[in-house]
Amino acid sequence: ETGVTQTPRHLVMGMTNKKSLKCEQHLGHNAMYWYKQSAKKPLELMFVYNFKEQTENNSVPSRFSPECPNSSHLFLHLHTLQPEDSALYLCASSQDQEQYNSPLHFGNGTRLTVT
Amino acid sequence: DQQVKQNSPSLSVQEGRISILNCDYTNSMFDYFLWYKKYPAEGPTFLISISSIKDKNEDGRFTVFLNKSAKHLSLHIVPSQPGDSAVYFCAASLMEYGNKLVFGAGTILRVKS
Repeated sequence: ETGVTQTPRHLVMGMTNKKSLKCEQHLGHNAMYWYKQSAKKPLELMFVYNFKEQTENNSVPSRFSPECPNSSHLFLHLHTLQPEDSALYLCASSQDQEQYNSPLHFGNGTRLTVT
Repeated sequence: DQQVKQNSPSLSVQEGRISILNCDYTNSMFDYFLWYKKYPAEGPTFLISISSIKDKNEDGRFTVFLNKSAKHLSLHIVPSQPGDSAVYFCAASLMEYGNKLVFGAGTILRVKS
């Protein structure tokens, strides 16, 4: 596998469920990101990890809980979500979050539907 | 309030012609700008970037122009090809903050053959 891989591609969950999104990068990068894309809205930065340390939490509700056990893996744990949380969740990586000219490499996303 | 705006939700262009995608920003502190392209069911991919010390950057068929006084940038694709049909996202950042990008909502480009 190369690049950034996200699983699952699609997820339907009820509001009382607990689920996790997984992201893995095979690029040797040190920074990983979670973005949310709601319909016809800009991509919103949720969390950033740089060298396994969280460097950004963009006022995300606590029902979203990120985990970065190492520089290659990133998780987003979900619990008691709301229907308005339905969106495309994109993971990305870059060489170093502090390098402004290091492009983000995105995964294909997880399409989440909360019923 | 959106700091990066792409006011045209969609654009349709004939193959071989020029495609011009526009982007406006409100934060005058932004000093680095990027364009990403996204095909359906795929993640965005980096296309081209420009820093605020330049007003033009070219890479093959793709050229980005930056007008700092107008807080406006544009992406020109010449000549347009059917494979260029995708969603194009404009993004901006402050270099000192690294890779924390602020994205626009995207413009859907359709290149007709």
